[in-house]
Amino acid sequence: DQQVKQNSPSLSVQEGRISILNCDYTNSMFDYFLWYKKYPAEGPTFLISISSIKDKNEDGRFTVFLNKSAKHLSLHIVPSQPGDSAVYFCAASPSGKTGGFKTIFGAGTRLFVKA
Amino acid sequence: EAQVTQNPRYLITVTGKKLTVTCSQNMNHEYMSWYRQDPGLGLRQIYYSMNVEVTDKGDVPEGYKVSRKEKRNFPLILESPSPNQTSLYFCASSPRPDQPQHFGDGTRLSIL
Repeated sequence: DQQVKQNSPSLSVQEGRISILNCDYTNSMFDYFLWYKKYPAEGPTFLISISSIKDKNEDGRFTVFLNKSAKHLSLHIVPSQPGDSAVYFCAASPSGKTGGFKTIFGAGTRLFVKA
Repeated sequence: EAQVTQNPRYLITVTGKKLTVTCSQNMNHEYMSWYRQDPGLGLRQIYYSMNVEVTDKGDVPEGYKVSRKEKRNFPLILESPSPNQTSLYFCASSPRPDQPQHFGDGTRLSIL
């Protein structure tokens, strides 16, 4: 049973437009969410995160939105650039109080930004 | 430079021949993890460690062992590798479990 789901395997966007990547989770014990970006032949690199006590976090062109009631988060990239073409992973971790310390990743969404 | 170093980067071996993938970090992080990446399944956590001598199972621990004798090192051991362990493996570390993890560049294992 996948606790973190990224239902879109791929997304194609025109340069300059907005990219929206979505992620759903099932475990209400998760209280910290992260997005990682991965290029071929490299390890994932951290992009942006959000705590469950917030509903938005912004860093430059990247904004993550969290809707706890819907157990849904999304990553917005505005404006999208060709260098953003990569695989994006959503990840979730619990607080550890009762949920342990596992980190759960989604299956990833491959973003193509066309010039 | 802050980094997580995995070795080897590539390995082709045969079923049943014990192997170890090493992982070392130079950031004095307490939390370390091993993941495997498979098509359509994303990254799945194999084992994690909260600190020296403290390890715990992730979601897919079967067929793997780990140890954490020193803070910087977290080797992944396959005692009797099988073809279903053919995968791309990543080691990662962070100061705490709820903080962003730094990943190594990956180890591609092929078990024939």
